[in-house]
Amino acid sequence: AQSVTQLDSQVPVFEEAPVELRCNYSSSVSVYLFWYVQYPNQGLQLLLKYLSGSTLVKGINGFEAEFNKSQTSFHLRKPSVHISDTAEYFCAVSEKGNEKLTFGTGTRLTIIP
Amino acid sequence: GAGVSQSPSNKVTEKGKDVELRCDPISGHTALYWYRQSLGQGLEFLIYFQGNSAPDKSGLPSDRFSAERTGGSVSTLTIQRTQQEDSAVYLCASRTGGARTDTQYFGPGTRLTVL
Repeated sequence: AQSVTQLDSQVPVFEEAPVELRCNYSSSVSVYLFWYVQYPNQGLQLLLKYLSGSTLVKGINGFEAEFNKSQTSFHLRKPSVHISDTAEYFCAVSEKGNEKLTFGTGTRLTIIP
Repeated sequence: GAGVSQSPSNKVTEKGKDVELRCDPISGHTALYWYRQSLGQGLEFLIYFQGNSAPDKSGLPSDRFSAERTGGSVSTLTIQRTQQEDSAVYLCASRTGGARTDTQYFGPGTRLTVL
């Protein structure tokens, strides 16, 4: 069965500093990987997804993530954060041929002015 | 265009009562999912509908939970004899019926509080 681990439940970062949110997954088959963002009092929104091809995926709002098969990781990065990036970020995985998304427990990103 | 809508946005109920949560998917989306977001638990898959196929109910936590989708559009999640541990935000998502890799679009959720 697939699983996702987000080790950091909270990450405080100063404004304009870089950030990396970590995500590791476990699966016995090929996977698709996703990052979703949940802004305060809003629904989930897709940031980016990895399906195949280039391991570096670029998403909305300046975020990118890199798929590392050997380390079973899909860490999310942004070179310079803004106050508006304050939100909860969820990593998710689905196995090829499986309809279900399995989510991590989320990382709350707090931007410090 | 209109996104996924859910109603009510908040629901407070007493232990033992039944509740119904509604989801209106994006028009034309044939795939519909229900998830539950509990404090400290992340999001967990509950049930999946695709067109006229039998739903995937493998994520439903107990037989008190059921869901239906009428006319391939609106879906209702029903929780019978609610328990305090059912308190959570229930999220609905839909996507087109095409590739499984198509993006799931999420609604704002229904926050259920069981007293």
